[in-house]
Amino acid sequence: AQSVTQLDSQVPVFEEAPVELRCNYSSSVSVYLFWYVQYPNQGLQLLLKYLSGSTLVKGINGFEAEFNKSQTSFHLRKPSVHISDTAEYFCAVRGHNNAGNMLTFGGGTRLMVKP
Amino acid sequence: DTAVSQTPKYLVTQMGNDKSIKCEQNLGHDTMYWYKQDSKKFLKIMFSYNNKELIINETVPNRFSPKSPDKAHLNLHINSLELGDSAVYFCASSQVNSVADTQYFGPGTRLTVL
Repeated sequence: AQSVTQLDSQVPVFEEAPVELRCNYSSSVSVYLFWYVQYPNQGLQLLLKYLSGSTLVKGINGFEAEFNKSQTSFHLRKPSVHISDTAEYFCAVRGHNNAGNMLTFGGGTRLMVKP
Repeated sequence: DTAVSQTPKYLVTQMGNDKSIKCEQNLGHDTMYWYKQDSKKFLKIMFSYNNKELIINETVPNRFSPKSPDKAHLNLHINSLELGDSAVYFCASSQVNSVADTQYFGPGTRLTVL
C-alpha cells in the first residue's frame, strides 16, 4: 500500500514569485508519481509524471518536479507563478504492478497567487 | 469533443433514495475509474474496472455499485443514499499498458444528500 502527504494545505504567494509545493510518499514498492491540478469547479488535469529515468520532470504550464528516492519526495516547482495558476494541486502515486492501476492521492495544496 | 464526460453535473436528493451517475469516455481506453472527493478536497479511489475485472476499494460500502454497459461507459449506482455520501464524484479513464498510464478525469458530479 502507498500513502501520500502534502505538507502544506495552502500556499499563498505573490505573482511572479517562485513556488514549491511539497509532496512526500511512503511505499513498500517502487512507484510512479504524478501531479494533477484542479481549477475551481473543474476536474483534474495531469501536470506531469515520473515513470523512470531522469529525476527532473518537466510538465505543462512551466511546472517541473524532482523525484528524490532517498527522501521519498516529489516536490513541484515553478520559477514564476501567474494569477492563473491559482488552483488545487494534488500529488499522487501508484505502485508498480498495482492491481487496478489505482492512484493514491495526497490531501491537496491550494496555491493562492496574489497580485 | 469532451474526452471524459459525466452527467449530471449536480445532483440533489433526499436520504434513502437511489441514484445513478453516468460516465462516458471517447478516448478508446480500456479501464475506467470512480473517485470520491470529500468536502476537504480529499480524493479517494472507489473502483477500477476494465472488461476483465472489477477492483473495489475495500472501504467502499456495498451500496455503491459500478455498472458498465460497454467499454466506453461506467455508471455509478448508489442505493439508500446517506448524508455522508455528499461529495464530488469523479470518473476517469486510462489505457493500461506496461508503463504507467495517464488517467483522464471527467468534470465531476456534485452530489448533495439532504
